[in-house]
Amino acid sequence: GIQVEQSPPDLILQEGANSTLRCNFSDSVNNLQWFHQNPWGQLINLFYIPSGTKQNGRLSATTVATERYSLLYISSSQTTDSGVYFCFMYSGGGADGLTFGKGTHLIIQP
Amino acid sequence: KAGVTQTPRYLIKTRGQQVTLSCSPISGHRSVSWYQQTPGQGLQFLFEYFSETQRNKGNFPGRFSGRQFSNSRSEMNVSTLELGDSALYLCASSLFGTAYATNEKLFFGSGTQLSVL
Repeated sequence: GIQVEQSPPDLILQEGANSTLRCNFSDSVNNLQWFHQNPWGQLINLFYIPSGTKQNGRLSATTVATERYSLLYISSSQTTDSGVYFCFMYSGGGADGLTFGKGTHLIIQP
Repeated sequence: KAGVTQTPRYLIKTRGQQVTLSCSPISGHRSVSWYQQTPGQGLQFLFEYFSETQRNKGNFPGRFSGRQFSNSRSEMNVSTLELGDSALYLCASSLFGTAYATNEKLFFGSGTQLSVL
């Protein structure tokens, strides 16, 4: 199945800082999504982005499918941005192609 | 529009027992998928149902099973519980399933935290 690597695994920032989270993958993808898991365990869908660039407020994401990576940008971080960020993707081939990255644990300090 | 609803929120069971978890998808969504989240293995795909049929199954033993009803609500069952089954179980709904249509976004419930003692 597809291999997915997220970096960094942990990130601690001060409120107001900007951050870039990265997801590298080993195969072409049909579906790529970014999620934020809040401290209560809920996974919130941030972006559906198998290619191209999207923006939603302080968050934006870019996927360069030909180079097999995706980036999630968070600007002017707030404490509510804390949590774990996951990329998810489907590369074809049924169940083996459905994969989450290991996540980036982000802590925003006031 | 109501979100994905999972019940119960917490469960405590003992080894050898069985458990049933429930998931009600967003209205109009016909695909329901289940995931297990543990600190060691992360988020792993269990199975996916569409129109009462299992379309994909992850690499889990046969003790893990599921079903989907005609109203798209889904249940998963774990029999003969083991300590290693302690995890957060998440279900997600989408219109047609991420493996079967473009622009398919997953929407997750709050999960069921299962503790096996």
